[in-house]
Amino acid sequence: AQSVTQLDSHVSVSEGTPVLLRCNYSSSYSPSLFWYVQHPNKGLQLLLKYTSAATLVKGINGFEAEFKKSETSFHLTKPSAHMSDAAEYFCVVTLTDSWGKLQFGAGTQVVVTP
Amino acid sequence: EAGVAQSPRYKIIEKRQSVAFWCNPISGHATLYWYQQILGQGPKLLIQFQNNGVVDDSQLPKDRFSAERLKGVDSTLKIQPAKLEDSAVYLCASSLGDNSNEQFFGPGTRLTVL
Repeated sequence: AQSVTQLDSHVSVSEGTPVLLRCNYSSSYSPSLFWYVQHPNKGLQLLLKYTSAATLVKGINGFEAEFKKSETSFHLTKPSAHMSDAAEYFCVVTLTDSWGKLQFGAGTQVVVTP
Repeated sequence: EAGVAQSPRYKIIEKRQSVAFWCNPISGHATLYWYQQILGQGPKLLIQFQNNGVVDDSQLPKDRFSAERLKGVDSTLKIQPAKLEDSAVYLCASSLGDNSNEQFFGPGTRLTVL
């Protein structure tokens, strides 16, 4: 069975400093992995996705993630945090043979301080 | 391009009452999903439609929840009767139904059961 574990429930960063959100996955097969962001009172938005092409995936708003099979990780990073990055972030895996069914992690709440 | 529309945005009811949520997916999207997101958790899939047929409803509490997607476009999710633990945000998402697995989410309906 596939699953994801987000290692931090809350992350606080200062504006202009790097952001690191950690995600580990469990999968019997090569998974498809995603990061979604959820701003307050808004719908989930896809940041980036990995589907077995390049292991370093670039997304929107300066975010990127690296797929590391040896570590079963898919951490999300951004070199310099902006106030607008304050939101909840979800690491997501597609379940095998599941018609696109997504398995969400529990989420990481990001707070950005001035 | 118009996004996924949901209504109402907020609903407060008392336990044992009934409630219905409506979703209009992005035009041309064959696959429609309903998720339940309890506070502090990631979204959990309730039901998935491919056109007007159910693909997966394994996590839908069928004794009280029902959903339909007549004509393969709009969808309604109903809860009857509601319980306190049904308090959550109900998210609707849609996708083309191809192998990209990219789902587009609506803003959600926040349900409070008193």
